[in-house]
Amino acid sequence: GAVVSQHPSRVICKSGTSVKIECRSLDFQATTMFWYRQFPKQSLMLMATSNEGSKATYEQGVEKDKFLINHASLTLSTLTVTSAHPEDSSFYICSASDRGYGELFFGEGSRLTVL
Amino acid sequence: AQSVTQLGSHVSVSEGALVLLRCNYSSSVPPYLFWYVQYPNQGLQLLLKYTSAATLVKGINGFEAEFKKSETSFHLTKPSAHMSDAAEYFCAVSTLGGKSTFGDGTTLTVKP
Repeated sequence: GAVVSQHPSRVICKSGTSVKIECRSLDFQATTMFWYRQFPKQSLMLMATSNEGSKATYEQGVEKDKFLINHASLTLSTLTVTSAHPEDSSFYICSASDRGYGELFFGEGSRLTVL
Repeated sequence: AQSVTQLGSHVSVSEGALVLLRCNYSSSVPPYLFWYVQYPNQGLQLLLKYTSAATLVKGINGFEAEFKKSETSFHLTKPSAHMSDAAEYFCAVSTLGGKSTFGDGTTLTVKP
């Protein structure tokens, strides 16, 4: 199956700093990528849909200025958590699809801890 | 609109026993259905998928699922549980070109 790589897998930062997470499709071109947030023992919460060459589409309640998404190429999308605070600590997961019917390939996830 | 309901947030079975994880969906158009598995601190891995071909779908690690339109169900089964099957399982529904909607997940525990 297709491979999606996410980096870093773990990051610890101080409150007020910004953190960038990368999501790459390694063997296919992904015009659309998705970013999720997952709290412990909970399901995935879709944050935004990242579209190559255009602005991301954010889900209701997700702060656009807090979670900046850039999809500059067909193989790379980035999520930047700006001015991070402890409540932003979470597991962030990206996914991409190379087919029209919605089969998703997931990155390994990034655990963000804000001190 | 589409939604997924996973019945039972926790399922516990003995090693060697049948695994049954339940998933019911709602979709206004013919759905595509998926089961994913998540191990601690990892992303999700596709177990199997239904994309309007055969209604009985076989996946990796001995899992299979049957699409039943009349019951709007897509339950996941495995004849004999293995310790390594202990994980979180998510059922998901999507439509052509659309976003996926995930269930709340079911934690599978396998007892020795």
